[in-house]
Order: sequence, then C-alpha cells, then structure tokens
Amino acid sequence: KNEVEQSPQNLTAQEGEFITINCSYSVGISALHWLQQHPGGGIVSLFMLSSGKKKHGRLIATINIQEKHSSLHITASHPRDSAVYICAVRSYNTDKLIFGTGTRLQVFP
Amino acid sequence: EADIYQTPRYLVIGTGKKITLECSQTMGHDKMYWYQQDPGMELHLIHYSYGVNSTEKGDLSSESTVSRIRTEHFPLTLESARPSHTSQYLCASSDTGQSNQPQHFGDGTRLSIL
Repeated sequence: KNEVEQSPQNLTAQEGEFITINCSYSVGISALHWLQQHPGGGIVSLFMLSSGKKKHGRLIATINIQEKHSSLHITASHPRDSAVYICAVRSYNTDKLIFGTGTRLQVFP
Repeated sequence: EADIYQTPRYLVIGTGKKITLECSQTMGHDKMYWYQQDPGMELHLIHYSYGVNSTEKGDLSSESTVSRIRTEHFPLTLESARPSHTSQYLCASSDTGQSNQPQHFGDGTRLSIL
C-alpha cells in the first residue's frame, strides 16, 4: 500500500462543475503539497499546508491532520484546469517528499 | 515564476551513449533534487544535494550520478545509457532558509533510449 493515496485516479468534468480531489497519507508529516503537472511534464506548486485551509483564486486546499487527509477543490472548473494533480507529503522523519500517483483531471467545455 | 531550467526537454538516443541532463536555477537555492517519473506513476527521488560538494542518493536506486560544483548547477549523468533508463527526469530546488519551503520544479527531460 502506498504511503500517499489519491482518489479518484481519473476525473472527467463539465466546465463550471465543482471538483474535489482527495489525498490520504499514512506517515507523520511536517507539510503537505498540492502540485499541478501539465501534459508537457512541468510541475507547478499550488499549495503547501500544514493545517487548516488555503485559498488561491478558484482553488481551495484543506487538511485534517488528525484524519491524515487533504482535499483539493476547484470551483467553476475550466478546460485549462485539465492536468494531473499530485499530492505530496513531507515526511517528518526523513524530511523528503513522498508523492501520490496523481489524479488526471479533464474538463470539457 | 520559478527560475529553474532543464535541458534538453526531449532526448532520444541509442544504447551505450553517455548522457548528461542539465539543471540550473537562478534563485540561489541550496537544496536541489532529481526525480524520476515513469508514465502514469509517482515521482521517485533519485539524488539530492544540500549544497556545493554535497550529493546523496535518494530513495530509488539509480545508475546515474550527479555533481554539485556550483550552487546553481546540478547535472545528472548516465555513463552508458540503456533502454531501462527511459523515463522522465525532473529537477527541483528549494530554499534552506525556513523549514518547509516549497520545491520549485523544472519542466523535465523526457529521455528515450533506443
């Protein structure tokens, strides 16, 4: 079992829909990252959080440390949001990032 | 906008060749990382460096080697490429100053060994 699990693996949405991507982890962490990877391969860091909630534009990330769970929400989704969204946790013990396999999101007009 | 650059973006080359993948950052970050990512799979750390003349192997065993002679430059070398080395290689850097700094990623190099 992976130390970082994401769901769903694939997600298809119509433009304008509200989207939720989930991440569960099984190790002690000092921070959790949400990353966006476009088809070309480059990765952009969206959020880094260790508690509570963060918002940036149409994106919202939440984390529940007790339940070892985080969610990434996209409001009013748009085709340009189509990408792979990756959850990664920074291990408290090793200080290294452990990555989930990603959620592939496709938003159709 | 992060200033971390990888070259080449794509490389198709024959077995047995020596390859160097370049990674440079202009942010003065001490920490740099190399990740390997197979299609549809998660990233795995193969090398990291916490400063000049410091290099360590990551969690995934790799036949590649790295060097860190200058802060801004962290090249990865394969002495004799094999088809099993076909993958995407991503370079990242982060600031040491405060704990839990985000990592800034390059655009990656897609490597295909024939």
